[in-house]
Amino acid sequence: GAVVSQHPSWVICKSGTSVKIECRSLDFQATTMFWYRQFPKQSLMLMATSNEGSKATYEQGVEKDKFLINHASLTLSTLTVTSAHPEDSSFYICSASGFANTGELFFGEGSRLTVL
Amino acid sequence: QKEVEQDPGPLSVPEGAIVSLNCTYSNSAFQYFMWYRQYSRKGPELLMYTYSSGNKEDGRFTAQVDKSSKYISLFIRDSQPSDSATYLCAMSGGAGSYQLTFGKGTKLSVIP
Repeated sequence: GAVVSQHPSWVICKSGTSVKIECRSLDFQATTMFWYRQFPKQSLMLMATSNEGSKATYEQGVEKDKFLINHASLTLSTLTVTSAHPEDSSFYICSASGFANTGELFFGEGSRLTVL
Repeated sequence: QKEVEQDPGPLSVPEGAIVSLNCTYSNSAFQYFMWYRQYSRKGPELLMYTYSSGNKEDGRFTAQVDKSSKYISLFIRDSQPSDSATYLCAMSGGAGSYQLTFGKGTKLSVIP
């Protein structure tokens, strides 16, 4: 299957700092990428949908100024958590699809963010 | 009522048992159905992918979709300890719809 790489896999930061997480599709061009957040023992909650070259579409309740998403190329999307606070500590996962109209997605390994 | 319902478990079975995992859903627009396996602290891994109703088999895994009952299942034959993980069902709508709606996941433990 297609490979999606996410980096870093684990990051610890101080409160008030910003953290950038990268999501790369390694062997296909991802026209659409998705960012999710997952709390312990919970399912994945979609945060935003990003299409290459355009602004991300955020789900209701997700602050777009806090979670900056950039999808500058067909193989890379980034999520920047700005002015991070302890409540932002979570597992962030990206997924990518290059296949039109099927809904088939491939996920990154996830990035665990801990804000002290 | 949530769009996708999935019993979170946990579910414990002895090695070699047949495992049955299920989800129900309410949105009749869903046409694409997936099962993902997620190991602890890892991203989900696509296991099975099915379009519309019917069965699909891949090795020890069989996915079933019954759109008339809005019910999907994943069967694991000859379960192994390495199958211990959380299994998430997911589904999406028609053409152009990539957004998945996930179940909460069922945590499975296969005991040696």
